[in-house]
Amino acid sequence: DAGVTQSPTHLIKTRGQQVTLRCSPISGHKSVSWYQQVLGQGPQFIFQYYEKEERGRGNFPDRFSARQFPNYSSELNVNALLLGDSALYLCASSWGGDEQFFGPGTRLTVL
Amino acid sequence: AQSVTQLGSHVSVSEGALVLLRCNYSSSVPPYLFWYVQYPNQGLQLLLKYTSAATLVKGINGFEAEFKKSETSFHLTKPSAHMSDAAEYFCAVSGTYKYIFGTGTRLKVLA
Repeated sequence: DAGVTQSPTHLIKTRGQQVTLRCSPISGHKSVSWYQQVLGQGPQFIFQYYEKEERGRGNFPDRFSARQFPNYSSELNVNALLLGDSALYLCASSWGGDEQFFGPGTRLTVL
Repeated sequence: AQSVTQLGSHVSVSEGALVLLRCNYSSSVPPYLFWYVQYPNQGLQLLLKYTSAATLVKGINGFEAEFKKSETSFHLTKPSAHMSDAAEYFCAVSGTYKYIFGTGTRLKVLA
């Protein structure tokens, strides 16, 4: 069975630009969560979506937004990129938000 | 609110020696607890999880952890370290719609 997939694998942007990261959950999973992992730290929760509705949001600025599509895939958008947004962005899927299965992540570098 | 503390950001052990990685949690409700491993430039792999069943949890790759409510601990152990165990390890507690991760412990295995 396919696990959680994320695209792209790596991404390089410059300050001020906008970026969109994509996530496809495990088949049958209706919930998608996003985490940011800055180098040397543990992952930090950004969003959780369930059935296309935002169910939880972490302590991130409004530059971060996300959405979930009818097929339960999800996009994370970050506007006006800052150097500090450089991180590994992890997507996780679950049936309803309980046990989460993580994807390989997207490595974002902001120059 | 839930939180996790991992004691020791770096741990070094000799090959064949006992591995002990420490995790203490804080939770106002019975917690679900997890240990993940992360190899360089990769996502998170679940080692084991505690979901209020047996207090001694066995995971993959010979790892196990014991839930001790009186000590609010969930330490990860492995009887004999292997070179392939060198990685970053994260303890996490399940919160409302999200996981809360510790800051991680980097395990180094010495030949």
